[in-house]
Amino acid sequence: DAKTTQPTSMDCAEGRAANLPCNHSTISGNEYVYWYRQIHSQGPQYIIHGLKNNETNEMASLIITEDRKSSTLILPHATLRDTAVYYCIVRANPYSSGSARQLTFGSGTQLTVLP
Amino acid sequence: DGGITQSPKYLFRKEGQNVTLSCEQNLNHDAMYWYRQDPGQGLRLIYYSQIVNDFQKGDIAEGYSVSREKKESFPLTVTSAQKNPTAFYLCASSPPPNSGANVLTFGAGSRLTVL
Repeated sequence: DAKTTQPTSMDCAEGRAANLPCNHSTISGNEYVYWYRQIHSQGPQYIIHGLKNNETNEMASLIITEDRKSSTLILPHATLRDTAVYYCIVRANPYSSGSARQLTFGSGTQLTVLP
Repeated sequence: DGGITQSPKYLFRKEGQNVTLSCEQNLNHDAMYWYRQDPGQGLRLIYYSQIVNDFQKGDIAEGYSVSREKKESFPLTVTSAQKNPTAFYLCASSPPPNSGANVLTFGAGSRLTVL
């Protein structure tokens, strides 16, 4: 699976959009980009994933560059409850058997939403 | 509501003692996983199981053992052979590959402290 690079930490003002970047310059054509987040001392929570098109759900938007070498997770109106570590992961074919085993969680980005 | 239940949430153990962490899911997921997380670090895979009565070692299996006698249950035993067992342990599961995106659902975690 491709390696990802994320900033160690970021701050965001409450009510503003939080834009979390992720570099995955070695991503291959069949690898998806996944985002999870982990609130302190809890289990990680799935946010969103995508292959090459931008994606949006009730939690966030995922913007993937045309060359797929980087992506940005957008929380449109950050709240204090969005303070967490955000993990960007790339892995091949999420629909194949046993491939979730290959999810590698690095150190992520600590997002702190400030009042 | 469906989900993953880990118990106990906090556990203290003396050196040299084995301890078993419970993980139960009612999501009807086939695959289950155990991860270890140290302070400020990402998640590392200990063991995973794709089907009942079958499991495979992850990246850091030494000093740990698991069983998968039932689809709903995947207990982890931290043995006395694990040299540095103090950590946060996370259990996860994922659905069959043909049911949609193979995302992980995590439990709330068990924090083990060796005294």
